[in-house]
Amino acid sequence: EVQLVQSGGGLVKPGGSLRLSCAASGFTFSSYNMNWVRQAPGKGLEWVSSISSGSGYMYYADSVKGRFTISRENAKKSLYLQMKSLRAEDTAVYYCARDLRGGWKSFDYWGQGTLVTVSS
Amino acid sequence: EIVLTQSPGTLSLSPGERATLSCRASQSVSSSYLAWYQQKPGQAPRLLIYGASNRASGIPDRFSGSGSGTDFTLTISRLEPEDFAVYYCQQHGSSLWTFGQGTKVEFK
Repeated sequence: EVQLVQSGGGLVKPGGSLRLSCAASGFTFSSYNMNWVRQAPGKGLEWVSSISSGSGYMYYADSVKGRFTISRENAKKSLYLQMKSLRAEDTAVYYCARDLRGGWKSFDYWGQGTLVTVSS
Repeated sequence: EIVLTQSPGTLSLSPGERATLSCRASQSVSSSYLAWYQQKPGQAPRLLIYGASNRASGIPDRFSGSGSGTDFTLTISRLEPEDFAVYYCQQHGSSLWTFGQGTKVEFK
């Protein structure tokens, strides 16, 4: 069974940092591109970042470019999102998500989500 | 950046009725990269349709997708009680992904 289990959310002050983790199981993690998507309270979905299976490419939404860094450790079957210079508008539930195989650029499995609250 | 506009914002229907959700793009989108998701309160999104018209694994055949270019549609042929949720379209292009703002399908 495919599982993505997230950890690392919480309350952080503006300007602070936080690292989110996503532990994968039930599939060959090293063969899949992975993604982060967030959802502000009561709002819609916003794509945040993507990383290729071998970390050869990484993409970011303009809203987080230069502040967030996506990474992965295939040996540990883990995906990460390092967030720095956090702002109130970064407050959201963050989801990790797996790319659907076949180059469709859709996300077929999602983590349970972790809440990040940026507030003083 | 391609903007996806979904309509209507809210759809009020009864079980057994047909639901037609629209997703319009600000410029042409590759059909291969157009997807639809369902999200229920407190849950992660669920992939319904990828490549504009392909049902994801385990998705009932009452869900169907169609469209090309800038106009895409998600149709639920006969609403079941578990289908009342928020639906998002998503596209990929130029190394970016964008979502529509969502359509809420609610009980009439």
